[in-house]
Amino acid sequence: DIVMTQSPLSLPVTPGEPASISCRSSQTLLHTDGYSYLDWYLQKPGQSPQLLLYLGSNRASGVPDRFSGSGSGTDFTLKISRVEAEDVGIYYCMQAIDTPRITFGGGTKVEIK
Amino acid sequence: QVQLQQSGPGLVKPSQTLSLTCVISGDSVSSNGAAWNWIRQSPSRGLEWLARTQYRSKWYNDYAVSVKGRVTINPDTSKNQFSLQLESVTPEDTAVYYCARVSARGGYYGMDVWGQGTTVTVSS
Repeated sequence: DIVMTQSPLSLPVTPGEPASISCRSSQTLLHTDGYSYLDWYLQKPGQSPQLLLYLGSNRASGVPDRFSGSGSGTDFTLKISRVEAEDVGIYYCMQAIDTPRITFGGGTKVEIK
Repeated sequence: QVQLQQSGPGLVKPSQTLSLTCVISGDSVSSNGAAWNWIRQSPSRGLEWLARTQYRSKWYNDYAVSVKGRVTINPDTSKNQFSLQLESVTPEDTAVYYCARVSARGGYYGMDVWGQGTTVTVSS
């Protein structure tokens, strides 16, 4: 299985300030079609995970443009340009290149300082 | 708007079979542009993919190695739903179970719809 490693484990943030989460995969997620099969999900307290970004940098429907994704191959980053209170929760990266054997990172907990 | 509604017992005895159902609204279980998955979440194992079913001219079912031999996923076109059965459960199968859709119509669009989750406890 492809191992996904996220950092940091915990990220205290100040509203209005930027935030950044890293995700590294044990194998390349770059497909021959040119896309990296890496998604980002947010699990708000008491809710199911929700899709934020797919194929590394494509925002899902309804996701605010303060969320952006970058990276290719094995190293990826999720950035929040200006954190809002509603962004608290646990962020997960997920690889889909080894579909159906998708795997998730361990999560990064974002909380307001 | 696509929605997934899960149902099933919250308590299962050790050695028995865990059975969960996910009813689809707004899409079809036999859609060529979707794949239907079961995923579970526990403190010890995190988010863990378990099984997938998809229709691509015929049905394809795939299972995680960690549960292979104990797990079955079944699509039901008459009720537009899919189910998960996990046999011979132990306390290690205690988790929140989710159904989820991968959208793949003409490409890949992520796991864009999730069920509400079902907390399953394995205990006597």
